Amino acid sequence: DIVLTQSPTTMTASPGEKVTLTCLASSAVNYIYWFQQRSGASPKLLIYFTSSLASGVPDRFSGSGSGTSYSLTINSVEAEDAAIYYCLQLTTTPLTFGSGTKLEIK
Amino acid sequence: EVQLQESGPGLVKPSQSLSLTCSVTGYSITSNFWGWIRKFPGNTMEWIGHISFSGTTAYNPSLKSRISITRDTSKNQFFLQLNSVTSKDTATYYCAKGNYFDYWGQGVMVTVSS
Repeated sequence: DIVLTQSPTTMTASPGEKVTLTCLASSAVNYIYWFQQRSGASPKLLIYFTSSLASGVPDRFSGSGSGTSYSLTINSVEAEDAAIYYCLQLTTTPLTFGSGTKLEIK
Repeated sequence: EVQLQESGPGLVKPSQSLSLTCSVTGYSITSNFWGWIRKFPGNTMEWIGHISFSGTTAYNPSLKSRISITRDTSKNQFFLQLNSVTSKDTATYYCAKGNYFDYWGQGVMVTVSS
């Protein structure tokens, strides 16, 4: 199975700050997908095919990477971005998720 | 608008079977892929499996001996059955649409306990 390691596990940011979340794969994957899960809500697709923004997602979110190293960047973080962020790989089965990064806003 | 909604018992006894239904509106399940994912206490997410537009299935090997995903196209629903449950199956279960889960249900919390 491909293991996705996300870092940091938890981070705190101030409104307006730029944050970068990392997802490292144990083997190369074709693409990474990013999800946001706010407290009490279902996961929401943010980024597909590594860098494509899902419908309705603010353009302060962006994704990049290749091979085994991927990142999600939030430019000018806002209070509503407080959530757990997960990465997902679909290259091989079983599909696997990262362990998540919890983003807290000061 | 695409909507998915899970339904099923919130409490299941150990060794029994868990059965969940995902009802879909706004999109036909004879198109695309339809999956089940669960989130454990502590936030770990696990892909359970999916059923395709043609009815073929794929399962997580860690669960393959215990699970079955089926569908009823006349009702636009698909189903998860998980057999021989233990406390380790306690989780919130989600159904989701597509290869990369662009729509999700609200989730159903399932506790395995006697």
